[in-house]
Amino acid sequence: EDKVVQSPLSLVVHEGDTVTLNCSYEVTNFRSLLWYKQEKKAPTFLFMLTSSGIEKKSGRLSSILDKKELFSILNITATQTGDSAVYLCAVDGTSGSRLTFGEGTQLTVNP
Amino acid sequence: DTAVSQTPKYLVTQMGNDKSIKCEQNLGHDTMYWYKQDSKKFLKIMFSYNNKELIINETVPNRFSPKSPDKAHLNLHINSLELGDSAVYFCASSQAPSRRHEQFFGPGTRLTVL
Repeated sequence: EDKVVQSPLSLVVHEGDTVTLNCSYEVTNFRSLLWYKQEKKAPTFLFMLTSSGIEKKSGRLSSILDKKELFSILNITATQTGDSAVYLCAVDGTSGSRLTFGEGTQLTVNP
Repeated sequence: DTAVSQTPKYLVTQMGNDKSIKCEQNLGHDTMYWYKQDSKKFLKIMFSYNNKELIINETVPNRFSPKSPDKAHLNLHINSLELGDSAVYFCASSQAPSRRHEQFFGPGTRLTVL
């Protein structure tokens, strides 16, 4: 069974801090790893990673995948209060034809 | 226009009741999903339909029954509601099962069972 473990489960920082969120996984027939941001409602897509070592970047957010060590990190630099959300990591493996989600990291950015 | 919509957004009901949640997508997608997100934020797949056919059926109680009258709709009916059913239920859709990494999520239905 595919498995995704995220750490930390919660994180409280001050505006301007840099944070690193971790995601480790076990999956049969890896296809991709995805990061989502969930505020009050539905998860919204951030990144999809398929290849090791290639950084995906969008503004202050960036993510990288290590397929050998089976983990990914999501970095957020110069955090803002609007970054406060639950960040979900999911893996897509071909064996189950589904996305398997981690428990999420609750990030709180205080002014 | 909302891509994936769910009704109702909030549902408060007593134990033992039967309730339904509706989901509609206007994206022309073939595949739809139901997820349950508990208080710990774990998002777990429950069911998936492709072109009205069930393709994923996770280990959920028989009290949960999905119905897909057409490709654009996937409803979830729950019989004999229990306290543990309290959660947020998300509907999602993708173009095809192989495009599951590009899922669009609905706004969620918060179910509270008293």
